Amino acid sequence: TQLLEQSPQFLSIQEGENLTVYCNSSSVFSSLQWYRQEPGEGPVLLVTVVTGGEVKKLKRLTFQFGDARKDSSLHITAAQPGDTGLYLCAGVPGAAGNKLTFGGGTRVLVKP
Amino acid sequence: DTGVSQNPRHKITKRGQNVTFRCDPISEHNRLYWYRQTLGQGPEFLTYFQNEAQLEKSRLLSDRFSAERPKGSFSTLEIQRTEQGDSAMYLCASSLRRGVSSTDTQYFGPGTRLTVL
Repeated sequence: TQLLEQSPQFLSIQEGENLTVYCNSSSVFSSLQWYRQEPGEGPVLLVTVVTGGEVKKLKRLTFQFGDARKDSSLHITAAQPGDTGLYLCAGVPGAAGNKLTFGGGTRVLVKP
Repeated sequence: DTGVSQNPRHKITKRGQNVTFRCDPISEHNRLYWYRQTLGQGPEFLTYFQNEAQLEKSRLLSDRFSAERPKGSFSTLEIQRTEQGDSAMYLCASSLRRGVSSTDTQYFGPGTRLTVL
């Protein structure tokens, strides 16, 4: 069973601060996706990373895929209240798997 | 809006009743997935279809659960004899898989929140 662990589980910061969310596994993933989910809604895709060592930037969000494709991180610079939400990492196991294995999520609260 | 849609958005039912949820994927997507998410957890895989064929089912999918995708377009998920433990958000996702060795990105619908009283 593939297992993705996210840390921290909860993060509360002030507007303007930076934050980093981690997603770790002992297994290799062919790709990894980050989603943000609002209460009562489905996850919304933020980014997909495929290549080991890959770094993608989406405005103030920076995503990194580990060299060995076992871990990933999400860094938010100068967080805003609109960044509040549940951040989920999800990996596709193996060479070209099918179902997504999700981490437990990191709940981020950005206070104004 | 050409995203994934799910109906109903909310369903409240009494224990023992049957419920059915519908998912309409993004039109050109050949794969459709069902996940279940309980409060405070990440989604867990239930089953997926490639076109009309159901290719994998999780052990979470007991014999009270059945999913169909009869024409390779929309899908339904039925839960028979609902139990309180079935209360959760049921999420549908779709993707376009172009080849055996390719990866695909899954796009999620808004979910159906089921409450079993």
